[in-house]
Amino acid sequence: NAGVTQTPKFQVLKTGQSMTLQCAQDMNHNSMYWYRQDPGMGLRLIYYSASEGTTDKGEVPNGYNVSRLNKREFSLRLESAAPSQTSVYFCASSEGLAGGQETQYFGPGTRLLVL
Amino acid sequence: AQTVTQSQPEMSVQEAETVTLSCTYDTSESDYYLFWYKQPPSRQMILVIRQEAYKQQNATENRFSVNFQKAAKSFSLKISDSQLGDAAMYFCATRGGSNYKLTFGKGTLLTVNP
Repeated sequence: NAGVTQTPKFQVLKTGQSMTLQCAQDMNHNSMYWYRQDPGMGLRLIYYSASEGTTDKGEVPNGYNVSRLNKREFSLRLESAAPSQTSVYFCASSEGLAGGQETQYFGPGTRLLVL
Repeated sequence: AQTVTQSQPEMSVQEAETVTLSCTYDTSESDYYLFWYKQPPSRQMILVIRQEAYKQQNATENRFSVNFQKAAKSFSLKISDSQLGDAAMYFCATRGGSNYKLTFGKGTLLTVNP
């Protein structure tokens, strides 16, 4: 199994450009998440989708939008990229049946540089 | 609200020896879960071990074990017989039983010396 996959692996954007980060999981998980990781910090939750058809804001949602396209796919969109959004972005998924006790499984990350 | 504090930005250990990484947390949840994740240079986040707060017994996973002190809100990770492949950034995290949000500490960079 591939687990959680993310594309692209690396992207350079200019300020004001838009892009979509793609995430897919093949574990039949209900819940999916987007995190960002900045230097010297742990991961911070941007948005999550508890189940297909629902999305909710996390800790740092400003400047981002998400789409839960289907059960497998959860995309993150930057409409107008800013240098402050330079970061490493991680997608994760979990079974979504029992809340806190679940283990989240992470993708390999997307490194985004906004100039 | 949840917070996680890792007071050791960096640690080093000799190969085959034992090292303990510290983590303290705070949460308003009565039911919560604790995790240690490993992030090697590849940047992939890999689950090392997890602990249910309602369980008194400390979790173990091969060479990895935790010392969970609920009253002190402490959740340290012990790595025995350290191997070169253990070198990575280690993150402590917590999640409430009623929500989906994982809260991470800032991480501890572990170096394993041959």
